Amino acid sequence: GENVEQHPSTLSVQEGDSAVIKCTYSDSASNYFPWYKQELGKRPQLIIDIRSNVGEKKDQRIAVTLNKTAKHFSLHITETQPEDSAVYFCAASSRNAGGTSYGKLTFGQGTILTVHP
Amino acid sequence: DGGITQSPKYLFRKEGQNVTLSCEQNLNHDAMYWYRQDPGQGLRLIYYSQIVNDFQKGDIAEGYSVSREKKESFPLTVTSAQKNPTAFYLCASALGWGRGFTEAFFGQGTRLTVV
Repeated sequence: GENVEQHPSTLSVQEGDSAVIKCTYSDSASNYFPWYKQELGKRPQLIIDIRSNVGEKKDQRIAVTLNKTAKHFSLHITETQPEDSAVYFCAASSRNAGGTSYGKLTFGQGTILTVHP
Repeated sequence: DGGITQSPKYLFRKEGQNVTLSCEQNLNHDAMYWYRQDPGQGLRLIYYSQIVNDFQKGDIAEGYSVSREKKESFPLTVTSAQKNPTAFYLCASALGWGRGFTEAFFGQGTRLTVV
């Protein structure tokens, strides 16, 4: 089955700096890669996603890049602000263990991002 | 509020008892998911379902059971066979693979504590 590895587990930056979080996946059939932000005590919420037919996607200060050959994708946050502090999760949508159906959504272990004012 | 509701928010269970967590959505989503969240371990997939009357085991299904009798509902039962059930449980739903897989929406979670 799919395995999603996420690094680093913690990331500390100064306000205004950039932050980069990286994920790798194992199932070459995976074709949808979302990123979620979870603030303390709240539910995870989607911040950006990318499909396998696209190499890069941007939304204001947030961007995601995908390298299908290497099976890795990254989240880039520019001009970080204290309100960006949260736990960030990457995920990949892949096949089930038997390879007979799709729609399994596997998450990485999460990155605790802290932005210092 | 997001269209996906989990209940209860907090749940206490005695050792050896089964307990069922509720998850209901009114988003007309085909796919539903159950995740377990422990500190430092991210979101681990327990079970998922792409269609009514069908579900698939996730990565940590042992000690859990689910049913999908209605499109709107995907209850999770934590059985006495689950050795370490104390955790935060999150339910999610999405359009589903056949309809163009898109954003998964999460419920507010249920915190289960074994006492």
